[in-house]
Amino acid sequence: DIQLTQSPSSLSASVGDRVTITCRASQSIRSYLNWYQQKPGKAPKLLISAASSLQTGVPSRFSGGGSGTDFTLTISSLQPEDFATYYCQQSYSSPLFGGGTKVQIK
Amino acid sequence: QLQLQESGSGLVKPSQTLSLTCAVSGASISSGGYTWSWIRQPPGKGLEWIGYIYPSGTTSYYPSLNSRVTISLDRSKNQFSLKLTSVTAADTAVYFCARGHDFGGHPFDYWGQGTLVTVSS
Repeated sequence: DIQLTQSPSSLSASVGDRVTITCRASQSIRSYLNWYQQKPGKAPKLLISAASSLQTGVPSRFSGGGSGTDFTLTISSLQPEDFATYYCQQSYSSPLFGGGTKVQIK
Repeated sequence: QLQLQESGSGLVKPSQTLSLTCAVSGASISSGGYTWSWIRQPPGKGLEWIGYIYPSGTTSYYPSLNSRVTISLDRSKNQFSLKLTSVTAADTAVYFCARGHDFGGHPFDYWGQGTLVTVSS
């Protein structure tokens, strides 16, 4: 079974900071990796699909990269509305989510 | 605009069956290229995919839940449903329904708001 490991599990950052979250798969999943943002009490929101394809309406400060086993989600300049939990998800095999990364205010 | 709305019992007794329905508006669940999923999130924890159903009725379930899960379609009502048998406290979670794209990566682009199901006597 494919495992997904997100790191860090949480981070503290300030408005304007550049933030990078990593998702590592236990075997190659090509580019079959998606990223979501979830705020408390809300459903997850799809940000990026196929590793790097930004969804319509998602700010360009979000970007995704990687292929194979190592992937990143980068927020180039953190905004107040970006404080949330972020999840990666693969479907190379059955859909599976990473453990999440909580981005908190420093 | 596509919308999904979960409904069902919010409290289920241990060993009984959890039943939820997801009403879909703004698109037909019979349209090709998509799947219809259930995903859950225990309080304070991460997301767990439960399973999905294709418009054809073909299903795929998370292996550890496979023996207890059934997802079905009701095309006349444009909705799909989840049944989870023999529930325990570990099945307490917010349950989301979602639409997935049936191509590599299977992104879930539309979600319901979620409904909390508590398993307790």
